[in-house]
Amino acid sequence: DAGVTQSPTHLIKTRGQQVTLRCSPISGHKSVSWYQQVLGQGPQFIFQYYEKEERGRGNFPDRFSARQFPNYSSELNVNALLLGDSALYLCASSLALSGFQETQYFGPGTRLLVL
Amino acid sequence: ELKVEQNPLFLSMQEGKNYTIYCNYSTTSDRLYWYRQDPGKSLESLFVLLSNGAVKQEGRLMASLDTKARLSTLHITAAVHDLSATYFCADYNFNKFYFGSGTKLNVKP
Repeated sequence: DAGVTQSPTHLIKTRGQQVTLRCSPISGHKSVSWYQQVLGQGPQFIFQYYEKEERGRGNFPDRFSARQFPNYSSELNVNALLLGDSALYLCASSLALSGFQETQYFGPGTRLLVL
Repeated sequence: ELKVEQNPLFLSMQEGKNYTIYCNYSTTSDRLYWYRQDPGKSLESLFVLLSNGAVKQEGRLMASLDTKARLSTLHITAAVHDLSATYFCADYNFNKFYFGSGTKLNVKP
């Protein structure tokens, strides 16, 4: 079975631009979570979606938004990019709502560089 | 602010030795997660601990949870080079995940 997939793998943007990152969960998984990992730090939770509804939101500005589609894939959008948005963006999927005993499976990540 | 603190942040050890990584968290959560990350790679789930006193073991790694002390430990037995990686613990509370800063483990031959 295919694992969690993310696209693109790498991305270079300039300040002020907008970016869309995509995630396809493992088949049958209904929950998708997004994380930002700055080099040398632990992942920071951005969003969790379950059954197409937002179920959790981290401490990120409104420039960050996400959605989940009927096929359970997800997009993360970041507007008005700042240099500090440069990071590895990780997507994780789980069968049900994460945090209630469900194991999360992480994708390979999208590495975003903002110049 | 809710926090998850790991120590040590860096750990260099010889093969065959034992060691413990500590994870303190500030929430009232009764669940704790451990992950492994190899350099340049994504995260791999190791353990999900769901109740006070929970203990799980996989190979040379054993994780435990003490919710009263808000402490989880990851014990490494007879370390081997393949265990070299960064280990993260994470807490789930108020519909959010909180990760520690990670413990970078280097096992020397």
